[in-house]
Amino acid sequence: ELKVEQNPLFLSMQEGKNYTIYCNYSTTSDRLYWYRQDPGKSLESLFVLLSNGAVKQEGRLMASLDTKARLSTLHITAAVHDLSATYFCAVVGDSNYQLIWGAGTKLIIKP
Amino acid sequence: NAGVTQTPKFRILKIGQSMTLQCTQDMNHNYMYWYRQDPGMGLKLIYYSVGAGITDKGEVPNGYNVSRSTTEDFPLRLELAAPSQTSVYFCASSYALGLAGGFYEQYFGPGTRLTVT
Repeated sequence: ELKVEQNPLFLSMQEGKNYTIYCNYSTTSDRLYWYRQDPGKSLESLFVLLSNGAVKQEGRLMASLDTKARLSTLHITAAVHDLSATYFCAVVGDSNYQLIWGAGTKLIIKP
Repeated sequence: NAGVTQTPKFRILKIGQSMTLQCTQDMNHNYMYWYRQDPGMGLKLIYYSVGAGITDKGEVPNGYNVSRSTTEDFPLRLELAAPSQTSVYFCASSYALGLAGGFYEQYFGPGTRLTVT
């Protein structure tokens, strides 16, 4: 059974700091997705990582994928308050019809 | 292009009542999904569909039913509502080329917040 684990599950940090969220998954997969959810809102796609070594950046967020280590990272550079949200990673399941979701990382960035 | 729309936005049900949550997408996506998200938790897949007329169970299907008569619509039916079904329900859609062809990101609707008392 494919499992996806995120850590940390909760992160409180100061503006201006750097930090990394980790997403580990238990079986082989070459597609990984990162989503953002603001409180009380829906989920918004951030990044789609489609191959080993893929790296994507948008503003202060950078995501990478290492399929051999079964690990993706979401790095936050010089955090700002607007990045406060819950971040989810998801991996394509065995059937290819479903995404298997991590539990989410709640990120709070204090001014 | 409205994307994925859901109605209603909020609903309060009494125990034992039934209702249908509506979901429509205008992106011509072949795959559609229903998730529930309990407070402070991640997503759990209820049902999914890979095309009109084809549906299958996800992780937590008990107490729910779905149908997919058209590409655009994927309603979720709750029969005999129970307090355990209090949750936020998200519909999502994506385009996929099948098992070997590729699987694209899911687009989510705004959600329906359901309370069963």
